[in-house]
Amino acid sequence: SQQGEEDPQALSIQEGENATMNCSYKTSINNLQWYRQNSGRGLVHLILIRSNEREKHSGRLRVTLDTSKKSSSLLITASRAADTASYFCATGETSGSRLTFGEGTQLTVNP
Amino acid sequence: GAVVSQHPSRVICKSGTSVKIECRSLDFQATTMFWYRQFPKKSLMLMATSNEGSKATYEQGVEKDKFLINHASLTLSTLTVTSAHPEDSSFYICSAMGPWETQYFGPGTRLLVL
Repeated sequence: SQQGEEDPQALSIQEGENATMNCSYKTSINNLQWYRQNSGRGLVHLILIRSNEREKHSGRLRVTLDTSKKSSSLLITASRAADTASYFCATGETSGSRLTFGEGTQLTVNP
Repeated sequence: GAVVSQHPSRVICKSGTSVKIECRSLDFQATTMFWYRQFPKKSLMLMATSNEGSKATYEQGVEKDKFLINHASLTLSTLTVTSAHPEDSSFYICSAMGPWETQYFGPGTRLLVL
């Protein structure tokens, strides 16, 4: 079953703006990962944050994790039209275990 | 690095036939691979966990006799949809557990059963 809920379900912004997507989960986790999926394609791994980490950066991506609230956020700064895709969070209950995916956020960046 | 391929990328078959989908890790060995199913505009649903040299672990509600999984080597897992029906039409995605606790996903296979 899917334990992640993502918010918003859809987000439309202008190029150059920042995009923030949120993910909530229900069980204890070892790690939380964010993936990106272009329409009809496979998933691309963006970033992994462990349960003992609070924030992580990778290029224009910033991920936060609040285990007390069981939530995470993904911030994409200075968005580009090429960032248009679906973004999914996925939680792993133990290291190297199966992932449980959220419902995803469809991001549209308008040029 | 950490590339996963799937073959075929899309397949159309007649109802009642069986279809095999291959998932390969190209530049790393994967003891564990996963098979997901995705409906249009929906999230990924884990179908089964495939372990090299042992039987796959299926998620609740997934028929193991319908979706046969074989993980014969550290770089190859196959999913066979047996006696396919139109309701099996979907996007099937595999992933392989690679370095740094990360799952690397294949590009997916779109199955259409007529």
